[in-house]
Amino acid sequence: AQSVSQHNHHVILSEAASLELGCNYSYGGTVNLFWYVQYPGQHLQLLLKYFSGDPLVKGIKGFEAEFIKSKFSFNLRKPSVQWSDTAEYFCAALYNFNKFYFGSGTKLNVKP
Amino acid sequence: DAGVIQSPRHEVTEMGQEVTLRCKPISGHNSLFWYRQTMMRGLELLIYFNNNVPIDDSGMPEDRFSAKMPNASFSTLKIQPSEPRDSAVYFCASSKGQGLADTQYFGPGTRLTVL
Repeated sequence: AQSVSQHNHHVILSEAASLELGCNYSYGGTVNLFWYVQYPGQHLQLLLKYFSGDPLVKGIKGFEAEFIKSKFSFNLRKPSVQWSDTAEYFCAALYNFNKFYFGSGTKLNVKP
Repeated sequence: DAGVIQSPRHEVTEMGQEVTLRCKPISGHNSLFWYRQTMMRGLELLIYFNNNVPIDDSGMPEDRFSAKMPNASFSTLKIQPSEPRDSAVYFCASSKGQGLADTQYFGPGTRLTVL
């Protein structure tokens, strides 16, 4: 069945550490991939998305994600996190332009 | 510019009662989405509309759930009768485009508790 997996449920980092959050999608034809973020007290908002072309996608606030088709992965990265990156991060996939799924989310806690 | 507006923000009701959640999308947006978030199942897409027309309601869990969009600026999600397992946060989102590929803008959510 089509789905999205986020294996890290809770990540704790110190400021300036590098971040990589895992996201795996399932095989299901055409796939478009997204990362959304929910900062404390705020609405879910889009960080970045991949439709086609360059597999390395740049998003807002210094985030990037790499689409690796052979690994069915779309991991989110940031070279140096800040306390303000504390949030919950959701990977999402759109399969064949008609089925949309969110992952279970990863809570990131950045210690100042 | 106002974002997606949802009301109420919190709702506590008793089992068997009818619950109506409301959403006002961003002006000019053509698509509207309803999601449910629970600890067990995460964020699930329940139904979405394009130009006020329901396109895919396959995520609606049961016949107790219904959604309407009578005009471009208003949508409701109704649960009748409500059950304790319906307790969740319900999000509404809207997008400019016609399908699921466009960026979705989320509302603050309605936290529903069914006793």
